[in-house]
Amino acid sequence: GEDVEQSLFLSVREGDSSVINCTYTDSSSTYLYWYKQEPGAGLQLLTYIFSNMDMKQDQRLTVLLNKKDKHLSLRIADTQTGDSAIYFCAESVMDSSYKLIFGSGTRLLVRP
Amino acid sequence: GAVVSQHPSWVICKSGTSVKIECRSLDFQATTMFWYRQFPKQSLMLMATSNEGSKATYEQGVEKDKFLINHASLTLSTLTVTSAHPEDSSFYICSARDRVTSGFSTDTQYFGPGTRLTVL
Repeated sequence: GEDVEQSLFLSVREGDSSVINCTYTDSSSTYLYWYKQEPGAGLQLLTYIFSNMDMKQDQRLTVLLNKKDKHLSLRIADTQTGDSAIYFCAESVMDSSYKLIFGSGTRLLVRP
Repeated sequence: GAVVSQHPSWVICKSGTSVKIECRSLDFQATTMFWYRQFPKQSLMLMATSNEGSKATYEQGVEKDKFLINHASLTLSTLTVTSAHPEDSSFYICSARDRVTSGFSTDTQYFGPGTRLTVL
């Protein structure tokens, strides 16, 4: 079955870059997503990448996709304290359900 | 655009009562809505997929008689937790799939802010 894995915790200093990694198992996934969740809140879509792309950049966010290794990463440049949150990667399931399979989430802590 | 609301944002109820949670897509039509639950410091677990005008599809291990889902229109889905017990206490999040953009340049789910249910 589908499985998505992430490291649980990352701590960086303000101004540094953060890199959050994710591995997935379903090679037929069409889209891969990054969501951000702040305490007590729902999920905010940060960015997504189509499976035939290697890289996507959107302001401070860079997504890299290695389809051969089924590895996805999210790089946040110039990390700010407001970036402290939980980051979830998710893959879409390639059937008629369009459901998402989420990773366990990476808690990012940005130290001043 | 692409705003999803949930109501209520939090609810406290007594054991044995039923609780209804609403999920609305405010500025788009949602062919499909999804219901998740999230335990503290854990990931989102998909409970069911709700399609407008048809019965919901439940994930393995989710009791359909316990968690009633109704998707009466393209902008509203409801989740009713029947005969709630303390172990049903959780954060319930819905998401909605945008009918217009689905299948074209993107296929995106937009998430509601979540409803925190506490059963005493």
